[in-house]
Amino acid sequence: KAGVTQTPRYLIKTRGQQVTLSCSPISGHRSVSWYQQTPGQGLQFLFEYFSETQRNKGNFPGRFSGRQFSNSRSEMNVSTLELGDSALYLCASSAYSSYNEQFFGPGTRLTVL
Amino acid sequence: AQSVTQLGSHVSVSEGALVLLRCNYSSSVPPYLFWYVQYPNQGLQLLLKYTTGATLVKGINGFEAEFKKSETSFHLTKPSAHMSDAAEYFCAVSDQAGTALIFGKGTTLSVSS
Repeated sequence: KAGVTQTPRYLIKTRGQQVTLSCSPISGHRSVSWYQQTPGQGLQFLFEYFSETQRNKGNFPGRFSGRQFSNSRSEMNVSTLELGDSALYLCASSAYSSYNEQFFGPGTRLTVL
Repeated sequence: AQSVTQLGSHVSVSEGALVLLRCNYSSSVPPYLFWYVQYPNQGLQLLLKYTTGATLVKGINGFEAEFKKSETSFHLTKPSAHMSDAAEYFCAVSDQAGTALIFGKGTTLSVSS
């Protein structure tokens, strides 16, 4: 069974630009979660989608948004990038919820210059 | 609200020595607890999880953890460290809605020969 895939793996943007990251979950998984990982703040939950609906949202500004498609693939978008958005963005999929095991992708390393 | 505290941001052991990584949690509901490992430039891999039932949980690569409700702890242990165990370890608790993971700050394990 193929694992969680994330594209691109690395991204360099400049302040003020916007970026879209993509995540393909494990086949059959309907829940996709996004996390931001930084040295200072650690791993922080961004949002979770299930069957194309956002079920939960972390404490991030509205510049961070996401969506999920009917095939469970998910995208997250960050608009008006700031230097502080530089981070590893991890996507995780699970069959139903975080009570089940969450399988993580390798992440997208975003650098904002 | 749920939270996780990992005591010790860095733990160093010799190869063959006992590994003990500490995790304490706070939860307003019966917790679902997880330990993940992250190798450099990779995503997170689940080591083990506690949901209900037996309080001693065995995971992959010889790791185990014991859920102690009275101490609100979920410490991770391995009887004999191997060089390949060097990585960053994260303890996590599922949030009340069961749709997000709340992570500790992580503990970097170093193993010397």
